[in-house]
Amino acid sequence: EIVLTQSPGILFLSPGERATLSCRASQSLSGSHLAWYQQKPGQAPRLLIYGPSGRATGIPDRFSGSGSGTDFTLTISRLEPADFAVYYCQQYDNSPGLTFGTGTKVEIK
Amino acid sequence: QLQLQESGPGLVKASETLSLICSVSGGSISSSYYYWGWIRQPPGRGLEWIGTISYSGKPFYNPSLKGRVTISADESGTQFSLNLSSVSAADTSMYFCARHGGFGVRNPFDVWGQGTLVTVSS
Repeated sequence: EIVLTQSPGILFLSPGERATLSCRASQSLSGSHLAWYQQKPGQAPRLLIYGPSGRATGIPDRFSGSGSGTDFTLTISRLEPADFAVYYCQQYDNSPGLTFGTGTKVEIK
Repeated sequence: QLQLQESGPGLVKASETLSLICSVSGGSISSSYYYWGWIRQPPGRGLEWIGTISYSGKPFYNPSLKGRVTISADESGTQFSLNLSSVSAADTSMYFCARHGGFGVRNPFDVWGQGTLVTVSS
């Protein structure tokens, strides 16, 4: 099973600041098959980024993804109030063992 | 517009079988090449993939749950289901159904249901 470790666990930032979230895989993702999701309380996750730098439909360009191999990053260039949420990475490289990361909570400072 | 909706009992007794249905509207499971999955999330915790079924009915399961999980699709192409046997308190979770955004399991989940909370009681 591929284990995904996200850091930091909690990120305290202010609106307008830049957020940098990390996701590290326990083994290399050969096809860079990594996605990022945003989840707000009481809601289902929403796909933000896939592949690992493609933006899903309707996702604003302040969200960007990068990385390859075992190290991946989600960047939110300028935080807006709606961006304070929990973010999960997910690898879909290893079938049938799909796994999610531990999550990073972005909180208002 | 594609929509997914989970349904089923909110309370299941320990050692029994949890059964949920995902109803698909605005599309068909069998007439497209998408794959369809189940994911769960214990209260206050992270996400766990349970399994996936292909448009042709082939299932794929999380190895950690294999043996207890069965995912199937009905012939109408508008529903797929999850059965999880021998449940315990550890299976108490929000259960989501979702669509893989492409052909195959190796695609992210691009459309999600709202989720349904299942509590296992002793």
